[in-house]
Amino acid sequence: DTAVSQTPKYLVTQMGNDKSIKCEQNLGHDTMYWYKQDSKKFLKIMFSYNNKELIINETVPNRFSPKSPDKAHLNLHINSLELGDSAVYFCASSHGVSDTQYFGPGTRLTVL
Amino acid sequence: AQSVTQLDSHVSVSEGTPVLLRCNYSSSYSPSLFWYVQHPNKGLQLLLKYTSAATLVKGINGFEAEFKKSETSFHLTKPSAHMSDAAEYFCVVSDPSGTYKYIFGTGTRLKVLA
Repeated sequence: DTAVSQTPKYLVTQMGNDKSIKCEQNLGHDTMYWYKQDSKKFLKIMFSYNNKELIINETVPNRFSPKSPDKAHLNLHINSLELGDSAVYFCASSHGVSDTQYFGPGTRLTVL
Repeated sequence: AQSVTQLDSHVSVSEGTPVLLRCNYSSSYSPSLFWYVQHPNKGLQLLLKYTSAATLVKGINGFEAEFKKSETSFHLTKPSAHMSDAAEYFCVVSDPSGTYKYIFGTGTRLKVLA
């Protein structure tokens, strides 16, 4: 009965590959987010969707493309992976855009 | 523009002694403020939040924080540290005037000594 879940937990891949990370929430929330945590633990928002509509799109390379097939899912697809993409990616959700966010366990992406 | 500054990147305390993790914020509007904790190789867990109700906010695991508008501070405290409190702590500000996006502080690593 995990509230916000992400798959996979670990992802190791070569430069230039394309990969996806999946996120699902069973909280009935309308808003979902993707964050990137770098090697120094700094967290920064990448994207946010509200009712499947993109509402926050930070300065992120267009190799990153979020997709929300429904309100309970927000996936992150990354094309042409680079070394600098290595990080922990966190998904989060909230009831509405102004409400408290609940985070998933993270996906550690390592690009070799 | 909003920002949040965590004044200490590392804090070490002995088990059973008080914990103080400092956070200052900058916001043009009355912000929402949060503290999250991240245990090693885990996700972020909400400790407590301030949303313009009582200025002293009580959270989980004995933590509390006080919102001081005059000092633009939202420091996190706990009377007695436990070994299980060792983790990374993040102060977060959310801007109610725009998209409510979270702005994270750089984190404070709390070490608890036996």
